[in-house]
Amino acid sequence: GNSVTQMEGPVTLSEEAFLTINCTYTATGYPSLFWYVQYPGEGLQLLLKATKADDKGSNKGFEATYRKETTSFHLEKGSVQVSDSAVYFCALIQGGSEKLVFGKGTKLTVNP
Amino acid sequence: EPEVTQTPSHQVTQMGQEVILRCVPISNHLYFYWYRQILGQKVEFLVSFYNNEISEKSEIFDDQFSVERPDGSNFTLKIRSTKLEDSAMYFCASRTLGGGLAKNIQYFGAGTRLSVL
Repeated sequence: GNSVTQMEGPVTLSEEAFLTINCTYTATGYPSLFWYVQYPGEGLQLLLKATKADDKGSNKGFEATYRKETTSFHLEKGSVQVSDSAVYFCALIQGGSEKLVFGKGTKLTVNP
Repeated sequence: EPEVTQTPSHQVTQMGQEVILRCVPISNHLYFYWYRQILGQKVEFLVSFYNNEISEKSEIFDDQFSVERPDGSNFTLKIRSTKLEDSAMYFCASRTLGGGLAKNIQYFGAGTRLSVL
């Protein structure tokens, strides 16, 4: 079945450091890919998405590129802020299904 | 900004008791979902609901679970006889009917933490 594997956390960075959170997936066909973020005490919020190969999703300085050849969707940000501290979830949805399939989540802590 | 609201934020129950988790989806949304996350594990899909019926469900969603949209605004998840292993964070989500950029974007609530003792 479909699955998502995410880099294990937690990740601790200093402010302005470069962030990469790795995400790879297994799916039949061509899923849509997502990054969701969960700030403390809040729900999962969509951060960015990509719907086909080579699409780049971007939002709030975060980027991820849909790489079909490596079945990856790594999240990057050039300069993290303390306010980026949260749990980040990679997810996919297969065409014809309503089911989001999530990775385990990666907790990011950014220190001033 | 419209949001999905879940109540209560924390529910404690005794094993074998029935619980109802409540959600108010975003008002113009037509697809509704429940997911759960057992501590330390992945967020798992339970069920999707559209047009007053279940459109998809996982193997987790057995006869102990049911969903309902009782009054056109609330969306509930009922667990008939809770087990210890039902302890988890339960997330409700909803999405609009639209296609294009809105397609497949599910909006989540903050979750209800269910503790079964």
